[in-house]
Amino acid sequence: DSGVTQTPKHLITATGQRVTLRCSPRSGDLSVYWYQQSLDQGLQFLIQYYNGEERAKGNILERFSAQQFPDLHSELNLSSLELGDSALYFCASSPFMGEQYFGPGTRLTVT
Amino acid sequence: AQRVTQPEKLLSVFKGAPVELKCNYSYSGSPELFWYVQYSRQRLQLLLRHISRESIKGFTADLNKGETSFHLKKPFAQEEDSAMYYCALSFLTQGGSEKLVFGKGTKLTVNP
Repeated sequence: DSGVTQTPKHLITATGQRVTLRCSPRSGDLSVYWYQQSLDQGLQFLIQYYNGEERAKGNILERFSAQQFPDLHSELNLSSLELGDSALYFCASSPFMGEQYFGPGTRLTVT
Repeated sequence: AQRVTQPEKLLSVFKGAPVELKCNYSYSGSPELFWYVQYSRQRLQLLLRHISRESIKGFTADLNKGETSFHLKKPFAQEEDSAMYYCALSFLTQGGSEKLVFGKGTKLTVNP
């Protein structure tokens, strides 16, 4: 158990809908990262937050947004969902450079 | 640009055979390199970091700056080693934020 929690575990929704994925980092970790993992694209970095502020952006679509709250938990919002958004979404937290602890992931299925 | 290349998408070996998962990186500065492992679509777990020069579950990885490589090796593969392995490069961007770039991964299958 990495200490990083994610909810929900599974999510099934329809195209055009909006969902929110939640992540709680390990105690003491200020950085939260979001990744998308799909069979064809592999592991793609989406966005990083550090102590409530956005620090780095990766291949995140404009339909997606994230935030980190004062208690350091983070939410990833996915809107106007398309079939291609079906994937595993991981969050990770980090105490220092490179060492990231991953959550169990949320499996999103868009039908 | 910073890049991590894992040339083998799939690697299959027999139990007891040596295994080497290749990783090459592109980075002009001093690299921080890691190997992560993912068993059966579970969470990714940190396996090795080059700084600590440790051996975890029999795996080792040596940073070769001349060849810009960080290959993962194990002398005798076990069936439980079957998993997806990701090589990753950590660096600081010009803006001062830390970024971790992953390779596309190698799926290792150890056959009985």
